[in-house]
Amino acid sequence: QSALTQPASVSGSPGQSITISCTRTSSDVGSYNLVSWYQQHPGKAPKLMIYEGSKRPSGVSNRFSGSKSGNTASLTISGLQAEDEADYYCCSYAGSSTFVFGGGTKLTVL
Amino acid sequence: QLQLQESGPGLVKPSETLSLTCAVSGGSISSSSSYWGWIRQPPGKGLEWIGTIYYSGSTYYSPSLKSRVTISVDTSKKQFSLKLSSVTAADTAVYYCARHVIAAAGSDAFDVWGQGTMVTVSS
Repeated sequence: QSALTQPASVSGSPGQSITISCTRTSSDVGSYNLVSWYQQHPGKAPKLMIYEGSKRPSGVSNRFSGSKSGNTASLTISGLQAEDEADYYCCSYAGSSTFVFGGGTKLTVL
Repeated sequence: QLQLQESGPGLVKPSETLSLTCAVSGGSISSSSSYWGWIRQPPGKGLEWIGTIYYSGSTYYSPSLKSRVTISVDTSKKQFSLKLSSVTAADTAVYYCARHVIAAAGSDAFDVWGQGTMVTVSS
């Protein structure tokens, strides 16, 4: 089974763009496994921001975008705002009918 | 609008069984692409997938918890449940239920979440 590795933290200034990576550590699950991304503010439930790698649910700002290259998925937030400060998690199918979350990335808006 | 609400004891003794229920409202529990999942988050730590159930009763569990976890569904009551046996302090966490949309192989997302419920394992 595979695991997902994220950087522990990233930071950026208001108006800038940042990218959070999510790297699959096993290559045995094929190319069809698409990542979902979640935003979590302190004390709140996670919120779906991106699904199927690059699709945004209704109501999610178009400042959030997702992409994939090889075994690494990425979440990019453009035009960084103070309200974007939160923890972000990727999630994907891990093989054998199981699912896995990345370790999470704390985004700090400077 | 679909809403999920977890309920259950906030305190469980070590070695006992943790039992939680998730009530589904504002939508169907039996739609074709809707699975239902449990996720937990220990204090200060990341999210951990526990398991997922389809309305028909098919279940999928985390390998690390499989020996202790049972997830069931009651479509007549529009709810699904989590049981985690032989708990220890390491099972202390916020437990979330969520709708797990699985559209195709390798394509899934938890799109609606409950607010979460804190469960502490302590004597």
